[in-house]
Amino acid sequence: AQKVTQAQTEISVVEKEDVTLDCVYETRDTTYYLFWYKQPPSGELVFLIRRNSFDEQNEISGRYSWNFQKSTSSFNFTITASQVVDSAVYFCALSEGGGSNYKLTFGKGTLLTVNP
Amino acid sequence: KAGVTQTPRYLIKTRGQQVTLSCSPISGHRSVSWYQQTPGQGLQFLFEYFSETQRNKGNFPGRFSGRQFSNSRSEMNVSTLELGDSALYLCASSPPGRVGLFFGSGTQLSVL
Repeated sequence: AQKVTQAQTEISVVEKEDVTLDCVYETRDTTYYLFWYKQPPSGELVFLIRRNSFDEQNEISGRYSWNFQKSTSSFNFTITASQVVDSAVYFCALSEGGGSNYKLTFGKGTLLTVNP
Repeated sequence: KAGVTQTPRYLIKTRGQQVTLSCSPISGHRSVSWYQQTPGQGLQFLFEYFSETQRNKGNFPGRFSGRQFSNSRSEMNVSTLELGDSALYLCASSPPGRVGLFFGSGTQLSVL
């Protein structure tokens, strides 16, 4: 069965620090998608990135970067030079199978607090 | 382009009642999924609809049901409400052939 583990329940940093959020997943499928979402206090889940299992290239988007390692079943998320606006709960998620499976399994989330 | 719209934003019900939540997906998106979010269980998949057909269902009792209309709008219904049904219910839509859910702000349901 699929499973996503975010071992860090809460992280607190000071503004401008770099922070890495960990995500470890379990799946028996060879084809799957991994996601990261941000949930600010307003409640809406904001899509950040999607990565398929065949693409292990790391990705950078502004201050955000993602490190996908199939060998360790991890998909970690790093925020460089964190800002107060980055404070939110971050979720890692997994979707098994091909592109027609819209069921996501989420981790429990990591609450990130960035202090000024 | 308007995002995923969920109504109502907040809802208070009592045990035993039933409730209907509404979701309007992003224009052009035909897949609509529903998730329940609680502090204890986190985010859990309820069901997914595509072209008015339920394609996938999570592990929830039959009290939880849904439907999708021809314009892709979706509703979910919970009958005989229990205290444990108190949660944030999130709706998400996806464009054709692309897994990448876009979520609404949710409906916060409180069961008293």
